[in-house]
Amino acid sequence: QVVLTQPPSASASLGASVKVTCTLASGHRSFAIAWHQSQPGKGPRFLMKVKADGSHIKGDGIPDRFSGSSSGAERYLTISNVQSEDEADYYCQTWAIGIRVVFGGGTKLTVL
Amino acid sequence: EVQLLESGGALAQPGGSLRVSCAASGFTFSNYAMTWVRQAPGKGLEWVSGISDSGVITDYADSVKGRFTISRDNSEHMLYLQMSSLRVEDTATYYCAKEQDFGEFLESPFDSWGRGTPVTVSS
Repeated sequence: QVVLTQPPSASASLGASVKVTCTLASGHRSFAIAWHQSQPGKGPRFLMKVKADGSHIKGDGIPDRFSGSSSGAERYLTISNVQSEDEADYYCQTWAIGIRVVFGGGTKLTVL
Repeated sequence: EVQLLESGGALAQPGGSLRVSCAASGFTFSNYAMTWVRQAPGKGLEWVSGISDSGVITDYADSVKGRFTISRDNSEHMLYLQMSSLRVEDTATYYCAKEQDFGEFLESPFDSWGRGTPVTVSS
């Protein structure tokens, strides 16, 4: 059973907003997730942790235009006022002793 | 500032061995669980192995269990991954990462990552 599902791609125009979705499998709907940004030639970057209640805690130095939210089994990453430097792959991650660590397949964001 | 610097990636033969290392600084290394994550060319992130703050507890992905060994030296602030019986499918960039919460193991996300070290397994 795939624990985390992400759409493979998303796109947004410069200055617009985009919402990236991570869907938890049934049986894991209460899990928190983390969002990470991955760009070529760089290590991944932790963006935030998003809980089932929609609260989120961002990593150090993450711009205000990045935010997180939740609805049922879905966890969201919203980027407002998208910039060219936001073009990247975005991965969700969850963790627990029983399932160890799981990453979603990643969403490639293209900035138009 | 947390810094994680991987090293040791190289070209290895199928069936061979290799050890990659991660030098940590900027935080109290002995207080945090650590992990290895890899990314094969053109693929997504894959968790490989994790180790508790003390080093007593370790865990592995099924794909590497019995072939890879994670360890740490808290006095030297170093994390290691010993890889044996290497396969072509182990080809990837290997990242070390730090768990976010003090003293936990597999109970928090990774909040700091290194830049990675590339491992190529090929004859």
